[in-house]
Amino acid sequence: GAVVSQHPSRVICKSGTSVKIECRSLDFQATTMFWYRQFPKQSLMLMATSNEGSKATYEQGVEKDKFLINHASLTLSTLTVTSAHPEDSSFYICSASQGVVLEQFFGPGTRLTVL
Amino acid sequence: DAKTTQPNSMESNEEEPVHLPCNHSTISGTDYIHWYRQLPSQGPEYVIHGLTSNVNNRMASLAIAEDRKSSTLILHRATLRDAAVYYCILRDSMNFGNEKLTFGTGTRLTIIP
Repeated sequence: GAVVSQHPSRVICKSGTSVKIECRSLDFQATTMFWYRQFPKQSLMLMATSNEGSKATYEQGVEKDKFLINHASLTLSTLTVTSAHPEDSSFYICSASQGVVLEQFFGPGTRLTVL
Repeated sequence: DAKTTQPNSMESNEEEPVHLPCNHSTISGTDYIHWYRQLPSQGPEYVIHGLTSNVNNRMASLAIAEDRKSSTLILHRATLRDAAVYYCILRDSMNFGNEKLTFGTGTRLTIIP
């Protein structure tokens, strides 16, 4: 099956710094990429949907100025958590879609810890 | 999106079949039934999907009720590696641009050695 990678897999940062997470589709072109957040013992919550070359669509309650999403190419999307605070500590997961294919392909996730 | 209901948790003995139920009484005619699972500390992975007929693949089988208001994911011979949270998700095939998945709470499957 198609492979999606995320980098880094784990990051620890100080409060107030910005963190960039990369999501890549390794062997296919992703028309759409999705970013999810998952707190411990909870389900995945969709943060935003991004299409290559256009602005991301954010879910209600997600601050677009805090969670910057750039979908520069059909194989790369980045999520930047700006001015991170301890409450932003979470497991961030991306997924990619090929459009007509109903299956979504998920990355392995990035665990962010903000001290 | 139509809602799904799953048991919070289930247990099964290793090497025995597992039947994971999902209720979706408000399913529409164009909704596909998808199953994903999430192993500990990993992103979800696709398991199987179906529309009306039962489906089989190398990972599992999907049995869909005739009225489509419920479905069952069947793991024929559970191993310890099948311990995960299993999510049943409906996805509207007619809403082409709206491809997002809405995750519920899923069923946490524990496999007993």
